[in-house]
Amino acid sequence: NAGVMQNPRHLVRRRGQEARLRCSPMKGHSHVYWYRQLPEEGLKFMVYLQKENIIDESGMPKERFSAEFPKEGPSILRIQQVVRGDSAAYFCASSLTPNYGYTFGSGTRLTVV
Amino acid sequence: KQEVTQIPAALSVPEGENLVLNCSFTDSAIYNLQWFRQDPGKGLTSLLLIQSSQREQTSGRLNASLDKSSGRSTLYIAASQPGDSATYLCAVPRRGETSGSRLTFGEGTQLTVNP
Repeated sequence: NAGVMQNPRHLVRRRGQEARLRCSPMKGHSHVYWYRQLPEEGLKFMVYLQKENIIDESGMPKERFSAEFPKEGPSILRIQQVVRGDSAAYFCASSLTPNYGYTFGSGTRLTVV
Repeated sequence: KQEVTQIPAALSVPEGENLVLNCSFTDSAIYNLQWFRQDPGKGLTSLLLIQSSQREQTSGRLNASLDKSSGRSTLYIAASQPGDSATYLCAVPRRGETSGSRLTFGEGTQLTVNP
C-alpha cells in the first residue's frame, strides 16, 4: 500500500493562474480531507469529501477554491486566479473511518510568484 | 467549537533526557486522539492513536496517555535522541452525526534534542 499520494510535491504559479492539486487516498479509504498550512502557522481544515460528495466545506474560502472527489480518480483541490496569499503547504489525509485514525500525504507546496 | 492547545510551544533538551509534551482539548466528545510528528518541509507521520475508551498507548520509546474527562493528553518520550527533533502535533476528530469528521490540530510543540 503506497499510502496517501499527493502530486505535485512542489508547484509554482504566477498570480492569476490556476493551481490543481491531486490526492490519491489509501486503498480502501473513502474519506478524504484537505488541510492548509500557511508559513509559520498550524494546520487548518479546508474540506472533507467522500466519493462524489462534499460533506463539509466549512473551512474553504468562499471564492476561487473548489474540491472534488470523483467516482474514478484522485481528489482534486483547485485554486483559481491564485494570489500570493495562497502560498502554503496543502496536505491531504484519508481515513477508513475516524476510529482508525488518519493518514496524511507528504503535501504539495504551492508558491505563487 | 473544539479548541486544542499544546504546551510548551518549543522545547530544547539534551540528548538522553525523558520529556513530556502536553495537549489539552475543550470538547470531550471525541472518537480518539492522534499524535503526529512533522519534520521541517515534510508531511505528517502518525505516531500514536488512542481511542476514547483507552487510557494509553505505547510504541517503542513513546507513550501517550488520554484523560478524556479532563480534556488532556500527554506524549512521553523516553531517552530522547537528536533524531527526535521535530514538531509534534496532537489532533482530535469531532464526534458527529456522520462517519467522518474533521481533525482539529494544536499549534504543535517544536522539539530540539541537542547531542
